[in-house]
Amino acid sequence: GENVEQHPSTLSVQEGDSAVIKCTYSDSASNYFPWYKQELGKGPQLIIDIRSNVGEKKDQRIAVTLNKTAKHFSLHITETQPEDSAVYFCAASGANQAGTALIFGKGTTLSVSS
Amino acid sequence: GAVVSQHPSRVICKSGTSVKIECRSLDFQATTMFWYRQFPKQSLMLMATSNEGSKATYEQGVEKDKFLINHASLTLSTLTVTSAHPEDSSFYICSARDNWHSNQPQHFGDGTRLSIL
Repeated sequence: GENVEQHPSTLSVQEGDSAVIKCTYSDSASNYFPWYKQELGKGPQLIIDIRSNVGEKKDQRIAVTLNKTAKHFSLHITETQPEDSAVYFCAASGANQAGTALIFGKGTTLSVSS
Repeated sequence: GAVVSQHPSRVICKSGTSVKIECRSLDFQATTMFWYRQFPKQSLMLMATSNEGSKATYEQGVEKDKFLINHASLTLSTLTVTSAHPEDSSFYICSARDNWHSNQPQHFGDGTRLSIL
């Protein structure tokens, strides 16, 4: 089955700096890669996703890149703010279909200090 | 936007009690919902896939008789932790996706914190 590795496990940056989180996946059939932000005591919130027919996607300060050949994808947050502090999870699944569950990485705790 | 509601948000009960957690898709229909468990400072681990009108599919190592799943309608799935013990204490989270529209993401509920004394 699918296995998702995520690095780093913790990341501390100064406000205004960029943050990059990287993930690799094992199943070449996976073609949907979302990123979730989880705040303490809450469920994960989708922040951006990318499908395998696209190499990069951007939404304001957040961008995701995908390298299908190498089977890795990355989350980039620019101009970080204290409110970006949270746990971020990458995930992968085979086709964004109804019955396909997401397999998550172990998460990255991002701390943005002002 | 799509919203998944989970209830209750917090349960504290005695060992041996059975606890039911509800997961509802509020403005879309979902033939499939997913149940995850998350221990402190760990990732979300898939427990089971809930299928409307049929039996749930459980991941390896998850006891189906311990974690009963019912998906009786297109907007509601329930997870019942039977005869709960302290080791069942965890954060349980459900997710669902709009099946009627293509390329829809999975949305998560806000989780249920289960504490067994």
